[in-house]
Amino acid sequence: DAGVIQSPRHEVTEMGQEVTLRCKPISGHNSLFWYRQTMMRGLELLIYFNNNVPIDDSGMPEDRFSAKMPNASFSTLKIQPSEPRDSAVYFCASSRAGIAKNIQYFGAGTRLSVL
Amino acid sequence: AQKVTQAQTEISVVEKEDVTLDCVYETRDTTYYLFWYKQPPSGELVFLIRRNSFDEQNEISGRYSWNFQKSTSSFNFTITASQVVDSAVYFCALSEGYTGANSKLTFGKGITLSVRP
Repeated sequence: DAGVIQSPRHEVTEMGQEVTLRCKPISGHNSLFWYRQTMMRGLELLIYFNNNVPIDDSGMPEDRFSAKMPNASFSTLKIQPSEPRDSAVYFCASSRAGIAKNIQYFGAGTRLSVL
Repeated sequence: AQKVTQAQTEISVVEKEDVTLDCVYETRDTTYYLFWYKQPPSGELVFLIRRNSFDEQNEISGRYSWNFQKSTSSFNFTITASQVVDSAVYFCALSEGYTGANSKLTFGKGITLSVRP
């Protein structure tokens, strides 16, 4: 089975540009999570969806960040406009609901560099 | 609020040594899950184990073992006879709730383990 697929793997952009990160969760998983990893703050949750509905976006840094999940097999995280402090590795993870099935499986991450 | 503390930041051992990675958590919930993830130099996050708050049995999987003690709010991870391939950053994480729906993971800062030949 394919795991969580993220694209692109690396993104280099200039300050002020729009950046879109993409994620395809594991088929059959109904929860999707976006995390950000930096040296200073470690791994932190940005937003998560259950059944395509955003449940908790309290981790989204500011209005420059937005996330969508138009269907069960696709999600985007958009940064507009990007700033150098957004440079980080962004991970997408998915899991299945159910008492015994809440293990989150992570994609390979997107390494974002904003110059 | 939930919190995970991994007080060790870096550990270096020689191959074949045993090593224990510590994890202490805080939560007000009586129902929660604890996890360990491995992040090798390639960068991906690999799931290792999940334990729920009602199950304090220790678990062993090959060279890996986990010790869960609610009395001390700890979930420690031991690698026996370490190998160079064990070199990675190891994260402990906590998820609250038992609703059947999924909830977020709160991660510790991670422990960088270096295993020297």
